[in-house]
Amino acid sequence: EAQVTQNPRYLITVTGKKLTVTCSQNMNHEYMSWYRQDPGLGLRQIYYSMNVEVTDKGDVPEGYKVSRKEKRNFPLILESPSPNQTSLYFCASSPRLAVHTGELFFGEGSRLTVL
Amino acid sequence: GEDVEQSLFLSVREGDSSVINCTYTDSSSTYLYWYKQEPGAGLQLLTYIFSNMDMKQDQRLTVLLNKKDKHLSLRIADTQTGDSAIYFCAESILGKLSFGAGTTVTVRA
Repeated sequence: EAQVTQNPRYLITVTGKKLTVTCSQNMNHEYMSWYRQDPGLGLRQIYYSMNVEVTDKGDVPEGYKVSRKEKRNFPLILESPSPNQTSLYFCASSPRLAVHTGELFFGEGSRLTVL
Repeated sequence: GEDVEQSLFLSVREGDSSVINCTYTDSSSTYLYWYKQEPGAGLQLLTYIFSNMDMKQDQRLTVLLNKKDKHLSLRIADTQTGDSAIYFCAESILGKLSFGAGTTVTVRA
């Protein structure tokens, strides 16, 4: 089954404790992206990757890191989480965003709470 | 995002039509989209419209685009309880998607 898988789905952590949210897709998509969803703000892009070893900042990259060592995986790293990073995070992938079709395939989301 | 605006809530009676509105600011948008998010799930693409089109119909869904006013709407005919969800409008500029804040649609019996 074609899908985007995120882990963990739920996490409660404390300020400053490094964490990684994994994202994996099995559709051989070139494009992958991370978003955060906050009430009243919709989805805001954190980082994206057009292909292996190519990553770029989105609209709200501060406090986050990503890597794209292989096509299927795009982990989101919070080196020193803070309470303002409490949010619902979505990973998404696409086979052809470069030609503007814009069809993103989303994971089910990871709800992160930073105390 | 601040470039794409939508009202936050809509309540509709089952069987009626729902109309969700969206305004965007960038006239260079190439595609405009409607995504649906059901409770506890990620977003799924519902439909999209190319910027040189005025209307697109797909079964119960009708998308209207007014480029002059930068206004996009989604009409859902014969709204069902399964249509209760958050609907996001999004625009694509040079391949980058910008999302609105989402409209929560509640369908009441």
